[in-house]
Amino acid sequence: QKEVEQNSGPLSVPEGAIASLNCTYSDRGSQSFFWYRQYSGKSPELIMSIYSNGDKEDGRFTAQLNKASQYVSLLIRDSQPSDSATYLCAVIKSNSGYALNFGKGTSLLVTP
Amino acid sequence: DADVTQTPRNRITKTGKRIMLECSQTKGHDRMYWYRQDPGLGLRLIYYSFDVKDINKGEISDGYSVSRQAQAKFSLSLESAIPNQTALYFCATSDNQEGTNEKLFFGSGTQLSVL
Repeated sequence: QKEVEQNSGPLSVPEGAIASLNCTYSDRGSQSFFWYRQYSGKSPELIMSIYSNGDKEDGRFTAQLNKASQYVSLLIRDSQPSDSATYLCAVIKSNSGYALNFGKGTSLLVTP
Repeated sequence: DADVTQTPRNRITKTGKRIMLECSQTKGHDRMYWYRQDPGLGLRLIYYSFDVKDINKGEISDGYSVSRQAQAKFSLSLESAIPNQTALYFCATSDNQEGTNEKLFFGSGTQLSVL
């Protein structure tokens, strides 16, 4: 079992809809969780971080964390075609010395 | 100028050759990382270094070695390249914030092909 699991997609949503991206992780002691966005042919860039159970909102993005269920999600409201990218979930494991472990990524396609 | 610079951008080599991928940064960060990215497998950590005297293996370090020549430089070597090391390699840096703000800054990547 990979330590950080994501559905590879592609996830297709119409413009203006809510895109929901999900991630599960295996290390119950993990403390820090991140969402990176990677456009095709580009480097990943951080869009959200979350450390406590609950929701964290930043503009059109909301990260949700449920440590009991070992589940983290990213919601993108009012999806735009420019949101089309691969979204990478990353976790800092409890014994990794604070190095990030990434999931395989979910490909999101927002159609006009 | 890019804050995290990887050289070369592309490299084609033959099986058995030794190659080195270089990374330099102007961000003043202590922490540096090497990841590889394969289609369908995401980013996997090869090695990381939290300061000049600190080197740690990641999940897929076999077949690779690293050198932290200075705070700003972190190189990745393939001692004897093999075809399954064909991948996109990323160098990244981060601030020395203990687990609370691990924002990684990535280089542009090196596409390596081993024939």
